[in-house]
Amino acid sequence: DAGVTQSPTHLIKTRGQQVTLRCSPKSGHDTVSWYQQALGQGPQFIFQYYEEEERQRGNFPDRFSGHQFPNYSSELNVNALLLGDSALYLCASSFRQSAQPQHFGDGTRLSIL
Amino acid sequence: GEDVEQSLFLSVREGDSSVINCTYTDSSSTYLYWYKQEPGAGLQLLTYIFSNMDMKQDQRLTVLLNKKDKHLSLRIADTQTGDSAIYFCAESIKGGSYIPTFGRGTSLIVHP
Repeated sequence: DAGVTQSPTHLIKTRGQQVTLRCSPKSGHDTVSWYQQALGQGPQFIFQYYEEEERQRGNFPDRFSGHQFPNYSSELNVNALLLGDSALYLCASSFRQSAQPQHFGDGTRLSIL
Repeated sequence: GEDVEQSLFLSVREGDSSVINCTYTDSSSTYLYWYKQEPGAGLQLLTYIFSNMDMKQDQRLTVLLNKKDKHLSLRIADTQTGDSAIYFCAESIKGGSYIPTFGRGTSLIVHP
């Protein structure tokens, strides 16, 4: 039973560039949420996708966008990268936006130079 | 609004019990969670409790919930060096579409 998988594991970009991160949910899950975890902080919610639509959004600018595909996998896109975007980006999956616990991937470590 | 607070550090001796504490502010919390994060890894779900429960036990883990004081604790019995990690408390509410709000995490250091 495959868990949540994310790619790539590490990424280095420069300011102003654009990045795409990918996530495949745990088998049986159809809802994907994205989080940003800065060093020494807890995960901060970016947005959640269900049925290929953004359903909830946290306090992040519209430089952060996403997509969900028919197979439930998802992408996180960040445009015009800033130094402050350096963080661990975590993907979590769950079933039908329920209160059942989310399952997390190992994240993508994004470094902005 | 939702706010989850935890102490930042806890140091224990191997074999002792560890107690990690958390306070939350939203009285309508539906689920309360404990996650573990090891270096370079994502979050691993340890256990969770419904807000209408007082206690949950799962092997070495015991979760206690004091709804009056909005206080949640995680007790790890017979703590081992492999338990060294960051532990996150999180709450979710129905009105927030069950999106969990996380604390800053408690770094547990287990020494011999």
